Amino acid sequence: NAGVTQTPKFQVLKTGQSMTLQCAQDMNHNSMYWYRQDPGMGLRLIYYSASEGTTDKGEVPNGYNVSRLNKREFSLRLESAAPSQTSVYFCASSELAGAYYNEQFFGPGTRLTVL
Amino acid sequence: AQSVTQLDSHVSVSEGTPVLLRCNYSSSYSPSLFWYVQHPNKGLQLLLKYTSAATLVKGINGFEAEFKKSETSFHLTKPSAHMSDAAEYFCVVSPLRAGGSARQLTFGSGTQLTVLP
Repeated sequence: NAGVTQTPKFQVLKTGQSMTLQCAQDMNHNSMYWYRQDPGMGLRLIYYSASEGTTDKGEVPNGYNVSRLNKREFSLRLESAAPSQTSVYFCASSELAGAYYNEQFFGPGTRLTVL
Repeated sequence: AQSVTQLDSHVSVSEGTPVLLRCNYSSSYSPSLFWYVQHPNKGLQLLLKYTSAATLVKGINGFEAEFKKSETSFHLTKPSAHMSDAAEYFCVVSPLRAGGSARQLTFGSGTQLTVLP
């Protein structure tokens, strides 16, 4: 039982390049999330998917797109990377967003640098 | 609307002394509250959670937190710090409500705990 896995662990991009961050969970969770973490700002929600087939914007969606490929996988795409997107990206999952409580399980993170 | 304020960005304690990490919250609904820990270059791990049952919540590694509605606080404590406790700690709030649309967590900005030998 691997929990939440993310690939890649590290990535360096040049401004304007595109890339996709991959996330998968094996806990049969319905809901998945993408966050970014910047120093002194905690985690901020980029996008989430309450259930397979649905996605919604979070607090900081600009410059990103997501795809809920199936129940297990939720990818985050940067179409044209900018230095402001240098951050650590975390994927998370939970049984059901909107449930009695919303405990989320986190992946190990992807450290992205945009030059 | 909801928000979380972690009152200290850095806390230093000596090994074997008590730990207190402070968190205040605001929420339009009855909240559920969490503490997560993040060790260097790692993901976040749940320490403990409050979900309206007991107000004193025990978590992993000897940590506990007390929900005080009158003070809108959810401070994290541990009687005796260990070197392995050095990490960043996040207080998190979520509305406590069954059903409805997707719920989001709101994170505090984090408290970096240093444990001195």
